[in-house]
Amino acid sequence: EVQLVESGGGLVQPGGSLRLSCAASGFTFSSYWMHWVRQAPGKGLVWVARIKTDGSSTNYVDSVKGRFTISRDNRKSMMFLQMNSVREEDTAVYYCARGASSGYVVSYWGQGTLVTVAS
Amino acid sequence: QTVVTQEPSLTVSPGGTVTLTCASTTGAVTSSFYANWFQQKPGQPPRALIYSTDNKHSWTPARFSGSLLGDKAALTLSGVQPEDEADYYCLLFYGGTWVFGGGTRLTVL
Repeated sequence: EVQLVESGGGLVQPGGSLRLSCAASGFTFSSYWMHWVRQAPGKGLVWVARIKTDGSSTNYVDSVKGRFTISRDNRKSMMFLQMNSVREEDTAVYYCARGASSGYVVSYWGQGTLVTVAS
Repeated sequence: QTVVTQEPSLTVSPGGTVTLTCASTTGAVTSSFYANWFQQKPGQPPRALIYSTDNKHSWTPARFSGSLLGDKAALTLSGVQPEDEADYYCLLFYGGTWVFGGGTRLTVL
């Protein structure tokens, strides 16, 4: 059974940093692209970033470029999102999602972790 | 800035058919946008329904189908059930990045 479990959310002050983690199981983690998606309270989904199977390629939404860094550890079946210089508008539930091994699909999702940016 | 547009809300009767659409400010949505569709119910993470325009996941009910309709991607629900009441999001690929639509709130009434 595919499982994705996010952790690391919490309350952080504007300008601060936070590191989110996503623990994957039930599939060959190293064979799949992985994504971060966020959802502000009461709002829609926003795609945040993706990382290639071996970590050699990453993409970001413009609003987080230069502040957030996506990474992965295939030995531990983990993905990360390092969030620096956070802003109040980064407040959201952050989901990790499994992408494709080939093709263009976003399939399995975790339950999400809440990040609140406030002073 | 690329914007993906969906109907904010739609209402359908049980047993009826409804089509949700997904448009891009960059122009016509084609198969190269690899449209994905997701269903989200309150308090739950999204659930994938359709990928690469018209492909169903193993868990996707047969009443859901994806297509291209004119210059948009489309999700059609045929024989709508009460449990289909939810928010629906499309996701389009822009050659490296992905962009979600704003979502459609589907009411079954």
